[in-house]
Amino acid sequence: AQSVTQPDIHITVSEGASLELRCNYSYGATPYLFWYVQSPGQGLQLLLKYFSGDTLVQGIKGFEAEFKRSQSSFNLRKPSVHWSDAAEYFCAVGPMNRDDKIIFGKGTRLHILP
Amino acid sequence: EAQVTQNPRYLITVTGKKLTVTCSQNMNHEYMSWYRQDPGLGLRQIYYSMNVEVTDKGDVPEGYKVSRKEKRNFPLILESPSPNQTSLYFCASSPPSGAGPNTGELFFGEGSRLTVL
Repeated sequence: AQSVTQPDIHITVSEGASLELRCNYSYGATPYLFWYVQSPGQGLQLLLKYFSGDTLVQGIKGFEAEFKRSQSSFNLRKPSVHWSDAAEYFCAVGPMNRDDKIIFGKGTRLHILP
Repeated sequence: EAQVTQNPRYLITVTGKKLTVTCSQNMNHEYMSWYRQDPGLGLRQIYYSMNVEVTDKGDVPEGYKVSRKEKRNFPLILESPSPNQTSLYFCASSPPSGAGPNTGELFFGEGSRLTVL
């Protein structure tokens, strides 16, 4: 069955520290892959996406993610977090064909220490 | 500006009183979807629509109805709301890909927080 796992429900890092949020997926083929961010009281916003090609993708707000086929992972990284990065982050896999659904992970809430 | 607009943003209602949450997108997307977000459960899809007059159930459709009479609008209808439908609701739309009307790249509305007493 198709699934997305975000193993960390909460992560706390200090401002200025590096960040890595984990995402693993189970899918029949290489899906489209996404990271979304939800700031408090807001809707979800697309951070970055992977459709094909270069496995390291750059997104908005200084985020990047690396697709690793062998590990079925699509981890999100940022070299130095800012207090404004405190939010909930969702990994998602997108449909490769018409009958597939978009599947979201349950999210990782990021807390930033001053 | 490309956007998905939901209304109302906040609503408190009582059990059994029919309500509609509207959703409109200005990007000419074929695919639209409704999600609910609850603590610990993440995002769950309620209904989706591949195009005008084409709708289908998502993972949690019970107690909800939708319609898609125009491409830009996709209202969510709660005919007889119950307290377990208290939630944060999101409408989203997606541009087409070669595989179909949906890439998975979703554009979300700002959400509608519904409380059913």
